[in-house]
Amino acid sequence: GPKVLQIPSHQIIDMGQMVTLNCDPVSNHLYFYWYKQILGQQMEFLVNFYNGKVMEKSKLFKDQFSVERPDGSYFTLKIQPTALEDSAVYFCASSWGGEQYFGPGTRLTVL
Amino acid sequence: GEKVEQHESTLSVREGDSAVINCTYTDTASSYFPWYKQEAGKSLHFVIDIRSNVDRKQSQRLTVLLDKKAKRFSLHITATQPEDSAIYFCAASPNTGYQNFYFGKGTSLTVIP
Repeated sequence: GPKVLQIPSHQIIDMGQMVTLNCDPVSNHLYFYWYKQILGQQMEFLVNFYNGKVMEKSKLFKDQFSVERPDGSYFTLKIQPTALEDSAVYFCASSWGGEQYFGPGTRLTVL
Repeated sequence: GEKVEQHESTLSVREGDSAVINCTYTDTASSYFPWYKQEAGKSLHFVIDIRSNVDRKQSQRLTVLLDKKAKRFSLHITATQPEDSAIYFCAASPNTGYQNFYFGKGTSLTVIP
């Protein structure tokens, strides 16, 4: 079936550094999402993105977070600067407006 | 905003028995209710969904029931198999087109052979 890819699978960085998480969504999908999951717990919505714009973001989407998808390439989540509480698995998802397809996640560890 | 409560954090059943996972939601505007399965260390995989224009949907061994008045929906798995063991997440989404999913905390289902 359709696959969402995420690069890298793991990332370890020092607190205060910048990190960019990359997502390669399903090719004909229009809506893109980022979710955060801490230690296998609840999946929490961060942000969605449609037609080049953020449509909605949650309280977890701090000012240090930003998303973009330049020229239809990767859909990225950038965190600058990172904080210890940003350690989590970040899942990207995409959809055409219905079922969301999730990527395998990027495990981010902030030291 | 929408809050989804998933009532069973863990559930153990014997192989061949049925399993039921219950969720409630708060936002009357929610109209799409998917279920996802997450195996250890892996991503979420779509299992089944239901929209608010129906109150029941079945796909092989899976049935989803929706009670809009009670703002409650449930996943029923019949004839469980060991490979059904996983964490199951329910979610609710408003019908806004871009459909943010608000997830429950997950139910860890163990099917005992």
